[in-house]
Amino acid sequence: AQSVTQLDSHVSVSEGTPVLLRCNYSSSYSPSLFWYVQHPNKGLQLLLKYTSAATLVKGINGFEAEFKKSETSFHLTKPSAHMSDAAEYFCVVIRPGGYQKVTFGTGTKLQVIP
Amino acid sequence: EPEVTQTPSHQVTQMGQEVILRCVPISNHLYFYWYRQILGQKVEFLVSFYNNEISEKSEIFDDQFSVERPDGSNFTLKIRSTKLEDSAMYFCASSEPLEAQHFGDGTRLSIL
Repeated sequence: AQSVTQLDSHVSVSEGTPVLLRCNYSSSYSPSLFWYVQHPNKGLQLLLKYTSAATLVKGINGFEAEFKKSETSFHLTKPSAHMSDAAEYFCVVIRPGGYQKVTFGTGTKLQVIP
Repeated sequence: EPEVTQTPSHQVTQMGQEVILRCVPISNHLYFYWYRQILGQKVEFLVSFYNNEISEKSEIFDDQFSVERPDGSNFTLKIRSTKLEDSAMYFCASSEPLEAQHFGDGTRLSIL
């Protein structure tokens, strides 16, 4: 079975402070992992991806995530939050195979306080 | 950069009518998906399509729903007899194996 858990439905940070959005996964295979961002009334935009290369992955807009197999985690971080980071963030796991399985997390809404 | 395109951007339909949502995936992608997002709620997986057949579907994807890749470029989602609760944003996505999904901008479906 495959699952994704985003531990926080809402995260609130002050502008200029670090961001941590947590994601844990379970998969019987070596999965690929992704973070997407959705701004209000917009579509889904890829932030970054892990596909079995470097475990620390850098994405757009200063975000990065570290794949930790021992902890089955793929947490998203950013050193300093910006007002424009306020959005919903989704962690996604893809199990490899011809009929690959995609599992979305339930999302974390990030609020940035000025 | 190639992108997934969805049409129309907004569809208004009377309850009970059939609706077809259209998507043009990125041309060399092999996997195709439909998701929906009811206003204010999370993104929900509907169906994935690979090798000209459904590879996985969720509980939401009941007999009222069907997908088709009629001509090698389009990927459509049909809802046979729409209900009020089908009102949502519908996203199409495509991908290469194990690569990130590329999403379209979505079709907002409003059922009256």
